[in-house]
Amino acid sequence: EPEVTQTPSHQVTQMGQEVILRCVPISNHLYFYWYRQILGQKVEFLVSFYNNEISEKSEIFDDQFSVERPDGSNFTLKIRSTKLEDSAMYFCASRTGVGYTFGSGTRLTVV
Amino acid sequence: KNQVEQSPQSLIILEGKNCTLQCNYTVSPFSNLRWYKQDTGRGPVSLTIMTFSENTKSNGRYTATLDADTKQSSLHITASQLSDSASYICVVLTDSWGKLQFGAGTQVVVTP
Repeated sequence: EPEVTQTPSHQVTQMGQEVILRCVPISNHLYFYWYRQILGQKVEFLVSFYNNEISEKSEIFDDQFSVERPDGSNFTLKIRSTKLEDSAMYFCASRTGVGYTFGSGTRLTVV
Repeated sequence: KNQVEQSPQSLIILEGKNCTLQCNYTVSPFSNLRWYKQDTGRGPVSLTIMTFSENTKSNGRYTATLDADTKQSSLHITASQLSDSASYICVVLTDSWGKLQFGAGTQVVVTP
């Protein structure tokens, strides 16, 4: 069964550093998403991406965040200057029609 | 305000027993309602998807119901197994771009 692949599975970074979280969505999917889950809290929507541009973003997705689909297969989330409160599990997802598939997540720890 | 509320927050059941989880939503617009299973440290995995016109949908030992008039859904787990221990999350798809609104989940622990 096709999978959404995320790397790395765990990343530790110092506050103020830039991080890039990587995702390989399912190849024939057209819509791409990033969600995050702070420990003990519900999963929150960050951003949706379609046709090489952001289609919707949440209040969380401020100027420190950006997304890119650089080569037609990868989908990345960049956090420019990480804060302690960015520590969370970040999930990538892709969709076609009603089918919605999540990756296993990247656990980001900001120290 | 768009909200998805789940109850109970957690429950413990004996292996082989049944249980029912509840979900109330006040999300608009509403496209469909999903139940996901999430193991600790893993991504959510879809169990069922229902549009507003569907009242019930099954996936093996999981049966979901939807009452679009009262905006309530339930997930029934039959003959629970140890591998059913996980968080079960009620999720509503809200708009044409596919944004999902998540509930906080019900943590289910199945004991031998």
